[in-house]
Amino acid sequence: QLVLTQSPSASASLGASVKLTCTLSSGHSRHAIAWHQQQPEKGPRYLMKVSSDGSHSKGDGIPDRFSGSSSGAERYLTISSLQSEDEADYYCQTWGTGLYVFGTGTKVSVL
Amino acid sequence: QVQLVESGGGVVQPGRSLRLSCAGYGLTFSSYAMHWVRQAPGKGLEWVAFISYDGTMENYADSVKGLLTISRDNSKNALYLQMHSLRAEDTAMYYCARESNDHGAFDYWGQGTLVTVSS
Repeated sequence: QLVLTQSPSASASLGASVKLTCTLSSGHSRHAIAWHQQQPEKGPRYLMKVSSDGSHSKGDGIPDRFSGSSSGAERYLTISSLQSEDEADYYCQTWGTGLYVFGTGTKVSVL
Repeated sequence: QVQLVESGGGVVQPGRSLRLSCAGYGLTFSSYAMHWVRQAPGKGLEWVAFISYDGTMENYADSVKGLLTISRDNSKNALYLQMHSLRAEDTAMYYCARESNDHGAFDYWGQGTLVTVSS
């Protein structure tokens, strides 16, 4: 079964970096994933796709301080130089044959 | 600039039907597969339905099979979600989303339309 696991929360200070993890379930370690940001009271926004080889392709207008990487079944989103507007929920998403799955989301707090 | 704008949400009684719409702007609408995703209050994102670029293929999450029908009218740049026999657990914000042509990620989202099922 295709499942994505995320930690419920993460925090870091203004100007620091935070690294979020999305883990693919067993047998699906080669799947690409996407990261989406959802600021409070807003719709989601596509950030980037991250492939199993660590390459990533960003959405329109996504700042350079957002980057993606991979290791095994884990996919990462790193936010550098944290700003107050980065306080949001971050969801990973993947896809299979006729199937689309979201992780449970990570709430990022900027201290 | 790509824009997706949902409409049609509101308060509806249990057992009734409702049709949501999503209008696409700034894109060649007929070239893209489209999806509906919902989010219950205080909860995460849940994919519910997919339709191919030409409307010939559909797929639904198991939790909503038989209760939702997705459709599209490419001549109007419009996506629809017909909701049948609404239940309290269908209360959610409903988002339409475009699927990238290069991969299965949802690369553009609307702002959502809220459906509240309540007597």
